[in-house]
Amino acid sequence: EVQLLESGGGLVQPGGSLRLSCAASGFTFSTYAMTWVRQAPGKGLEWVSAIDHSGGSTYYADSVKGRFTISRDNSKKTLYVQMNSLRAEDTAVYHCAKVGRPYGDFFYMDVWGKGTTVTVSS
Amino acid sequence: EIVLTQSPATLSLSPGERATLSCRASQSVSNYLVWYQQKPGQPPRLLIYDASNRATGIPATFSGSGSGTDFTLTISSLEPEDFAVYYCQHRSSWPLTFGQGTRLEIK
Repeated sequence: EVQLLESGGGLVQPGGSLRLSCAASGFTFSTYAMTWVRQAPGKGLEWVSAIDHSGGSTYYADSVKGRFTISRDNSKKTLYVQMNSLRAEDTAVYHCAKVGRPYGDFFYMDVWGKGTTVTVSS
Repeated sequence: EIVLTQSPATLSLSPGERATLSCRASQSVSNYLVWYQQKPGQPPRLLIYDASNRATGIPATFSGSGSGTDFTLTISSLEPEDFAVYYCQHRSSWPLTFGQGTRLEIK
């Protein structure tokens, strides 16, 4: 069974940092691009960042560019996002998601994790 | 950035009825349009990719159509479990964006 399990969320003060992880299982992780999508409380979905299968190409929403860094360790089948200079508006559930086809830029997300909650507050 | 506008914001229908949800893009996304369903407390579920392709395990009551800037998700006969929030997303260019969602509620 294909599974994604996020971890690393929590309460952090404005200006602080957090690193989220997403452990993958049940598929050949190294062949799929991955994404992070967040959802603020009571709001819609917001794409945050994406990375290709090798880690060679990364993409960011303007709202997080320069503050967040996406990465992956294919040997550990794990996706990461390092979040720095956190703001109140970064408060959300963060989901990792797998794209629909291996290699290429098939950025539709067919498997999602349940998410990890990040709260930025003093 | 491509803006996706979904309408209506809320759709009130009864089980057995037909639902038609719209997603309009601020510029052409070709056929690179995706639909998701989300229920409370759950992650999104992929329904349709590239405008009209049903994802694995999605019943045939769900269909997608459109190209360019105008897209439609149709649920031909609503089941009780179909009442949820539906989002569209494009994958035409960076950044990826989502529509604001359509809430499908029981009338």
